[in-house]
Amino acid sequence: EAQVTQNPRYLITVTGKKLTVTCSQNMNHEYMSWYRQDPGLGLRQIYYSMNVEVTDKGDVPEGYKVSRKEKRNFPLILESPSPNQTSLYFCASSYRDSYNEQFFGPGTRLTVL
Amino acid sequence: RKEVEQDPGPFNVPEGATVAFNCTYSNSASQSFFWYRQDCRKEPKLLMSVYSSGNEDGRFTAQLNRASQYISLLIRDSKLSDSATYLCVVSVTGGGNKLTFGTGTQLKVEL
Repeated sequence: EAQVTQNPRYLITVTGKKLTVTCSQNMNHEYMSWYRQDPGLGLRQIYYSMNVEVTDKGDVPEGYKVSRKEKRNFPLILESPSPNQTSLYFCASSYRDSYNEQFFGPGTRLTVL
Repeated sequence: RKEVEQDPGPFNVPEGATVAFNCTYSNSASQSFFWYRQDCRKEPKLLMSVYSSGNEDGRFTAQLNRASQYISLLIRDSKLSDSATYLCVVSVTGGGNKLTFGTGTQLKVEL
């Protein structure tokens, strides 16, 4: 089944404790991206990647890191999480770029205490 | 001004009604336009792309007005299952392949 998977789905952590949210797709897509969704602000793009080893900042990259060492994986790293990073996070992939249909993962609900 | 603006709603309509949503975008270099649907706490899913000539998919019709920089979505014969949040999405040429989402318009279809 073609899909985007994210792990964990739910995470409660404390300020400053490094964490990684994994994202994997099995559709051989070139484009992958991360979003956060907050009430009243909608979905905002954090980082995106056009292909392996190519990443670029979205609209809200501060406090986040990403890497794209393999085509299928695009982990989101929070080196020192803070409470303002409490949010619902979505990973997405598409065939080639932002002009194609985006396939979203199921979301990761993160709470930073 | 937000790059993509939508009326948040909620729009409460009876089953069978026709409902229209508008979305405005600020960047005239915007190239690609989409409507996504998001059910409560679930991932967004593509409803339809929006083409310059307008396009229709069953009960759904999307229109693009580049001169006025707005996109519309028309839903005819609303079903209970249409209840969701509808997200307007814009991709900008030369924008580094960034996607900008509107905050969404909530639709509630009632018996």
